[in-house]
Amino acid sequence: DTEVTQTPKHLVMGMTNKKSLKCEQHMGHRAMYWYKQKAKKPPELMFVYSYEKLSINESVPSRFSPECPNSSLLNLHLHALQPEDSALYLCASSQDPGVVDGYTFGSGTRLTVV
Amino acid sequence: DQQVKQNSPSLSVQEGRISILNCDYTNSMFDYFLWYKKYPAEGPTFLISISSIKDKNEDGRFTVFLNKSAKHLSLHIVPSQPGDSAVYFCAASPGNQFYFGTGTSLTVIP
Repeated sequence: DTEVTQTPKHLVMGMTNKKSLKCEQHMGHRAMYWYKQKAKKPPELMFVYSYEKLSINESVPSRFSPECPNSSLLNLHLHALQPEDSALYLCASSQDPGVVDGYTFGSGTRLTVV
Repeated sequence: DQQVKQNSPSLSVQEGRISILNCDYTNSMFDYFLWYKKYPAEGPTFLISISSIKDKNEDGRFTVFLNKSAKHLSLHIVPSQPGDSAVYFCAASPGNQFYFGTGTSLTVIP
């Protein structure tokens, strides 16, 4: 299995909703990442997990809450989002946080906040 | 400040000809570079990589060139095919995370 799987593919949520994005990989990668990509912009790093511990938080608002329950799974919990948070949310993984070889992206979750 | 720049937002090329996509970076600590291809509403798909110890890497129709002194990266696609039409991102890493360019939208005209 050489894929990063993200679910759901599409999500529409209200500003008072609580929802979660899920990311899964079974490549034995020990680093996992969340990126946010707005239309016609490059992906922007949000969080990095290294060996299941949060190692980088790029000053992301607290309405985004990451969680890494185990080495294969990464969640992004969403609460009280704003319409400007609508974007494509990408998960990625790599063998090791210091080794970018084998960096693999998921297909993303298209999030719309209404 | 954008550390990785793709100054051409779009490029149109005739099928069968060469496509050349360019990328410039500012951080001399970057030592690993990738090109990604992205279709609308999908995640990026890895195309080709190069490390700073090389100046060229080839994979089929795709060749990446690295000029470290100029801090310049280019992707050559030969021959270009209509299925290559997509947005291409270059990305650079100092070893812990990637920094992305803003992308170049390539259209290959049949």
